[in-house]
Amino acid sequence: EAGVVQSPRYKIIEKKQPVAFWCNPISGHNTLYWYLQNLGQGPELLIRYENEEAVDDSQLPKDRFSAERLKGVDSTLKIQPAELGDSAVYLCASAPIGGGDNEQFFGPGTRLTVL
Amino acid sequence: GENVEQHPSTLSVQEGDSAVIKCTYSDSASNYFPWYKQELGKRPQLIIDIRSNVGEKKDQRIAVTLNKTAKHFSLHITETQPEDSAVYFCAAEYSNYQLIWGAGTKLIIKP
Repeated sequence: EAGVVQSPRYKIIEKKQPVAFWCNPISGHNTLYWYLQNLGQGPELLIRYENEEAVDDSQLPKDRFSAERLKGVDSTLKIQPAELGDSAVYLCASAPIGGGDNEQFFGPGTRLTVL
Repeated sequence: GENVEQHPSTLSVQEGDSAVIKCTYSDSASNYFPWYKQELGKRPQLIIDIRSNVGEKKDQRIAVTLNKTAKHFSLHITETQPEDSAVYFCAAEYSNYQLIWGAGTKLIIKP
């Protein structure tokens, strides 16, 4: 079984530029998460999807961040414009069904560096 | 707000000894407490979890204990091996089904 796929693995951009990350969850997983992980810290939830519906986006900085999961499978996370403080690893995770009490399967992450 | 505190931030133990990592949480309604292991440059992976209807769970060299009254839970690794070196994260599920993560413990196994 293929795991969660993310691309790109690494991205270096200049501040004020846009950037997009892509995630393909494990087949059949209805729940998809986007996390931000700063060095030496735990993952911080940005947004959680149940199928195509964003059920928790309270932590997403909506002035510059957006996300979509149009067909309830793949998802994209966008930052526009990027700021220096956005440098971090962006992790995507998926789970079979909704709720927080299920194992989350993480992708390898996208390491973003904003110069 | 809701938070999970994790201690220590770094733990160095001799190979073969035991390691204990402790977490406290703030929401008494939390019912699910997973532990994830993240090796350097890799993704977090679930190693063990516990639900609030049990006080302890074991899986080979790994065990987790939960004290709901005190709102804390701990990870115990016995007979540590070099491959146990990693960052370990605890987490707690809150009422909105969100996982709140601890800041992580870097476990170093000394040969």
